[in-house]
Amino acid sequence: AQSVTQLDSQVPVFEEAPVELRCNYSSSVSVYLFWYVQYPNQGLQLLLKYLSGSTLVKGINGFEAEFNKSQTSFHLRKPSVHISDTAEYFCAVSDTSGSRLTFGEGTQLTVNP
Amino acid sequence: DTAVSQTPKYLVTQMGNDKSIKCEQNLGHDTMYWYKQDSKKFLKIMFSYNNKELIINETVPNRFSPKSPDKAHLNLHINSLELGDSAVYFCASSLYPGTGGGYTFGSGTRLTVV
Repeated sequence: AQSVTQLDSQVPVFEEAPVELRCNYSSSVSVYLFWYVQYPNQGLQLLLKYLSGSTLVKGINGFEAEFNKSQTSFHLRKPSVHISDTAEYFCAVSDTSGSRLTFGEGTQLTVNP
Repeated sequence: DTAVSQTPKYLVTQMGNDKSIKCEQNLGHDTMYWYKQDSKKFLKIMFSYNNKELIINETVPNRFSPKSPDKAHLNLHINSLELGDSAVYFCASSLYPGTGGGYTFGSGTRLTVV
């Protein structure tokens, strides 16, 4: 079984500042890793995913994440955030069968003017 | 066209009632899921179906019964609703497991039991 820990429940930042949302995972087998975003009163939207290959993955809306196998981490970054990035962000993991996606508890990113 | 659509979007009902939530996907995906998001926004899988066959059945009260009439539809029926069932229920779909495509989620059904 896999598990995910998002290390920060809330991250407040100012507009145009860089941001990092931290995610660690636990698994005894190879994994796929995902970041999803949930805007208020909406469903989840896939930001980016790591399946294999290059450890730096780029996603939508200027986000990127780096897979670090030795530290079992998959942190999400953006060099300059906008007010519109305010949302809940979820890190998720599955084994390579992809049959079950396990989510972290979410990080609320609030971008202030 | 909405890829994964759920109805209703909001559902307010009294304790003890029976209700259903419907989900349809037009992506041609093989697998569909129900997730529950609690008041702290934690997402937990409830069920998954692959081409109408039940694959995952988590520790969910048997008052919850999924039904998949075809691979494009997965409905959730809940009997004898309780206050603790209040949550947002998300339907999702994906290609056959193993492709790593990620899941596509519906916009959710907010269930409030009073």
